[in-house]
Amino acid sequence: GAGVSQSPRYKVAKRGQDVALRCDPISGHVSLFWYQQALGQGPEFLTYFQNEAQLDKSGLPSDRFFAERPEGSVSTLKIQRTQQEDSAVYLCASSLSFVDGDRDGDTQYFGPGTRLTVL
Amino acid sequence: TQLLEQSPQFLSIQEGENLTVYCNSSSVFSSLQWYRQEPGEGPVLLVTVVTGGEVKKLKRLTFQFGDARKDSSLHITAAQPGDTGLYLCAGGKRNRDDKIIFGKGTRLHILP
Repeated sequence: GAGVSQSPRYKVAKRGQDVALRCDPISGHVSLFWYQQALGQGPEFLTYFQNEAQLDKSGLPSDRFFAERPEGSVSTLKIQRTQQEDSAVYLCASSLSFVDGDRDGDTQYFGPGTRLTVL
Repeated sequence: TQLLEQSPQFLSIQEGENLTVYCNSSSVFSSLQWYRQEPGEGPVLLVTVVTGGEVKKLKRLTFQFGDARKDSSLHITAAQPGDTGLYLCAGGKRNRDDKIIFGKGTRLHILP
């Protein structure tokens, strides 16, 4: 399909394990965003890439969270030594462009998310 | 800190009724977006409003951006069970260092 895909859709981890969540953005989209959505809440910004450059990582809750997009396409969000409070849905979104002021270019298209449960 | 407050948090109404949900902030946004999210899926964009006072219609949904670009409303006419979902508003600014801020959402349930 042509949409944003994420894998795995569901992940159960034991506390202390490391996890890696993958996002495949829409082909050609420059910008990629990661969000964390706790149960009953709206998405909260984690980090943002423009191509391979991570321009904003102010939302990452701790240094256990790390994101990369080495070739400006696929991105991976890694969480080390998972804790129970990390349990949430992790959403990825991509947009054509973020900075050119084009209204349509700003539109973020979301993937279905990865539901992470830490036991 | 920019906050988007959505109200009500939960709304359960009968099919055929009208409803309005609100999104308020003390900050000015250059654009405001409304999304709908269904269980197990990511948010899907419904509309973007960018001009103060702008009104956009999407079938039975009417979106309005406040004159001061600090608030927005979503009005649904003759609600249907298919309208059930989580409605999220998100504010953005024309600044590469600013991210889109989401409200916590209004969870809407339409009873048949």
